[in-house]
Amino acid sequence: KQEVTQIPAALSVPEGENLVLNCSFTDSAIYNLQWFRQDPGKGLTSLLLIQSSQREQTSGRLNASLDKSSGRSTLYIAASQPGDSATYLCAVRNSGNTPLVFGKGTRLSVIA
Amino acid sequence: EADIYQTPRYLVIGTGKKITLECSQTMGHDKMYWYQQDPGMELHLIHYSYGVNSTEKGDLSSESTVSRIRTEHFPLTLESARPSHTSQYLCASSESVAYGYTFGSGTRLTVV
Repeated sequence: KQEVTQIPAALSVPEGENLVLNCSFTDSAIYNLQWFRQDPGKGLTSLLLIQSSQREQTSGRLNASLDKSSGRSTLYIAASQPGDSATYLCAVRNSGNTPLVFGKGTRLSVIA
Repeated sequence: EADIYQTPRYLVIGTGKKITLECSQTMGHDKMYWYQQDPGMELHLIHYSYGVNSTEKGDLSSESTVSRIRTEHFPLTLESARPSHTSQYLCASSESVAYGYTFGSGTRLTVV
């Protein structure tokens, strides 16, 4: 059964710092991996989707990488801002018609 | 803007009542999902559907039911609400396994 782990569980950084959020998964036979952002009490907003054949995806200050063989993905946030404060969730989809499996998330606080 | 809509946004209801949480999407997606999330906790899959008249149970399905009569509509029903059902309920859809999920804004349910 696929398991997704996110480290750290919480992170607090000063504004302007570059940071890396980590995601690992136990079954490397994934179809794709998706990073989400969730603000308190809200739904999830998709940030980046990486297919299993891709190594990375970029959107603005965000860069997500995927190393399928080692079961790892990282989300890099450049020049962090207080508005980046949220919980970031990693989710993987195994091959076939299986729903996404989510990690527990990393709660990020960016201090002005 | 999100093309997946959940109503109501907030609901407070008494124990023993029957409730239906609505989820509709305008994107023509075949795949739809319901997740339950307690504050600050991980998402748990309740039910999912891969098309009209197709529904599957997730990890927390035993106390709820779903139906998929139309592609755009995937309602979740609790036959008899209990305080343990107090949580946020999130609906999502996807076009295919190659595409990511789009989430609604969620319904925050309180059972008193």
